[in-house]
Amino acid sequence: QSALTQPASVSGSPGQSITISCTGTSSDIGAYNYNYVSWFQQHPGKAPKFLIYEVTNRPSGVPDRFSGSKSGNTASLSISGLQAEDEADYYCASYTTSSTVVFGGGTRLTVL
Amino acid sequence: EEQLVESGGGLVKPGGSLRLSCAASGFAFSSYILSWVRQAPGKGLQWVSSISHNSYYKHYADSLKGRFTISRDNAKNSVYLQLDSLGADDTGVYYCTREPLYCRDASCLDLWGQGTLVTVSS
Repeated sequence: QSALTQPASVSGSPGQSITISCTGTSSDIGAYNYNYVSWFQQHPGKAPKFLIYEVTNRPSGVPDRFSGSKSGNTASLSISGLQAEDEADYYCASYTTSSTVVFGGGTRLTVL
Repeated sequence: EEQLVESGGGLVKPGGSLRLSCAASGFAFSSYILSWVRQAPGKGLQWVSSISHNSYYKHYADSLKGRFTISRDNAKNSVYLQLDSLGADDTGVYYCTREPLYCRDASCLDLWGQGTLVTVSS
């Protein structure tokens, strides 16, 4: 199972919006009837934090500045109103038709 | 407070074995699917394995199958990962994680431990 494809880095200024893409295949993100995509945020030296599940849902406590979407084999994470504390690594993950999980390679977000 | 605490990491020689443990507290452990995720130094996350609440279902990343074994003891609120035939590319932080009850999706991991570092080197 190959890793999902994410851009290595994205950047934005405080207050701006950014979008991170995550491209998979018809065996994971694009699988029939699957809405099984999650997103995680990881600050240096810390464990990942759960941000989005089932493509669009936010766990309790996650600000609504974070939102997710999906089209075909590609999922996206959008962050609006960028803040300095959003600077981190972001990972997508998808359940697969083999009952395994595949992560993206990660995207480093820099807040300018 | 809901918590996962890993232990058992350390330095091991190539070809060696290690058993990682993860102790859970603050939630009904026996109701949850648990997973292991690892991260090589400076690299991304890699899903390793998951185990159902009753140990009936166990899944492994294709690249690791046959070398790693997941198990759990609900009486001890613990999940384990046996690592065998270790190589240098198994070096990294190993995280214990939980799938929340409201998800039907193994990529849905809401609670993470702090991780335990495994270093494979001669």
